[in-house]
Amino acid sequence: EAQVTQNPRYLITVTGKKLTVTCSQNMNHEYMSWYRQDPGLGLRQIYYSMNVEVTDKGDVPEGYKVSRKEKRNFPLILESPSPNQTSLYFCASSLGWGGRWADTQYFGPGTRLTVL
Amino acid sequence: DQQVKQNSPSLSVQEGRISILNCDYTNSMFDYFLWYKKYPAEGPTFLISISSIKDKNEDGRFTVFLNKSAKHLSLHIVPSQPGDSAVYFCATHPNTGFQKLVFGTGTRLLVSP
Repeated sequence: EAQVTQNPRYLITVTGKKLTVTCSQNMNHEYMSWYRQDPGLGLRQIYYSMNVEVTDKGDVPEGYKVSRKEKRNFPLILESPSPNQTSLYFCASSLGWGGRWADTQYFGPGTRLTVL
Repeated sequence: DQQVKQNSPSLSVQEGRISILNCDYTNSMFDYFLWYKKYPAEGPTFLISISSIKDKNEDGRFTVFLNKSAKHLSLHIVPSQPGDSAVYFCATHPNTGFQKLVFGTGTRLLVSP
């Protein structure tokens, strides 16, 4: 089954404690991306990657890091989480990054993060 | 600075009637628009898209209309079904990069039997 998986699905942590949210896709997709969803703000793109070792900033990259060492994985790293990073996070992947790439974007189920 | 705006946070319609969800954008250079649908506890899923060379695109019960002069697009669902109850996001590629995506704030649609 084609899917994007995220772990953990729920996480409660404290300010300053480094954490990683993993994302994996089994579709051999080139493009992967992270978004956060907040009430009244919709979805905002954090980082994206067009292929292995190729990453770039989205609209809200501050406080986040990513890496793309393998095609299937795109972890999101919060080196020193703060309460304003409490949010619902979605990983997504798409076959390519040209043409109508966003039409074929698959999203993971989401990770709800709370930073106390 | 919200580049894509959905001014109605929620919409309620009766089953069988038409649902119209609206989206406004700020930059006339935007040339490709999408609608995603999101159920609770799930990730968004792609619904329908439209290029600026068209003013209408249809897929079954879903039709997207684009009015470039007004910088406005709308999603029509006819007839609406209870299973359409979800949050709908419009999105576009910003001028800062075609590989990026910016979303509206979403409209929660409730279709009652």
